[in-house]
Amino acid sequence: EDKVVQSPLSLVVHEGDTVTLNCSYEVTNFRSLLWYKQEKKAPTFLFMLTSSGIEKKSGRLSSILDKKELFSILNITATQTGDSAVYLCAVGLGGGSNYKLTFGKGTLLTVNP
Amino acid sequence: DGGITQSPKYLFRKEGQNVTLSCEQNLNHDAMYWYRQDPGQGLRLIYYSQIVNDFQKGDIAEGYSVSREKKESFPLTVTSAQKNPTAFYLCASSIPGSNEKLFFGSGTQLSVL
Repeated sequence: EDKVVQSPLSLVVHEGDTVTLNCSYEVTNFRSLLWYKQEKKAPTFLFMLTSSGIEKKSGRLSSILDKKELFSILNITATQTGDSAVYLCAVGLGGGSNYKLTFGKGTLLTVNP
Repeated sequence: DGGITQSPKYLFRKEGQNVTLSCEQNLNHDAMYWYRQDPGQGLRLIYYSQIVNDFQKGDIAEGYSVSREKKESFPLTVTSAQKNPTAFYLCASSIPGSNEKLFFGSGTQLSVL
């Protein structure tokens, strides 16, 4: 059975802190790993990672994938209250008509002023 | 504006009743997906369709049905066989030839009366 495990499940920090969110996976037919941010309703895309060791950055957010150890991390530096959200990790599996995303349970991040 | 529209935002179901959730996209995406989100459970895949008139069961398809008669539309019916339908339902679609990155609608919250 394909598994995607995120940790921690919830996290409370103060503005300005740096946080690291973790995502590990045990799957067959891995294609990619994606991070999404869910603030209210619709998850919004952050990163897609397919190669080990190549960091992706967008402003204060960055992410990296380790395909040997089967995990990814999402870093957020200098956190702001607007970073408060559920962060979802998903793994893309299969190909063609069988392609699908399998999600972890998410990490609820709360940033206090 | 292009996007994915889900309706209604809130829906109530009586015992023994079938209800249909609408999902429409004008992004010209081939693939469409339905996910269910329960508190603390992340997103779980119900059904997905890579092309018109074809769809596959996801991880939790029992008690649900779908159709894909048009590229733009992928309605989900929650049947009376689904004994625990209360959840937040998310529809998504992906770019042709690049299934990895999913775009999500704003969701439908279904509750049982």
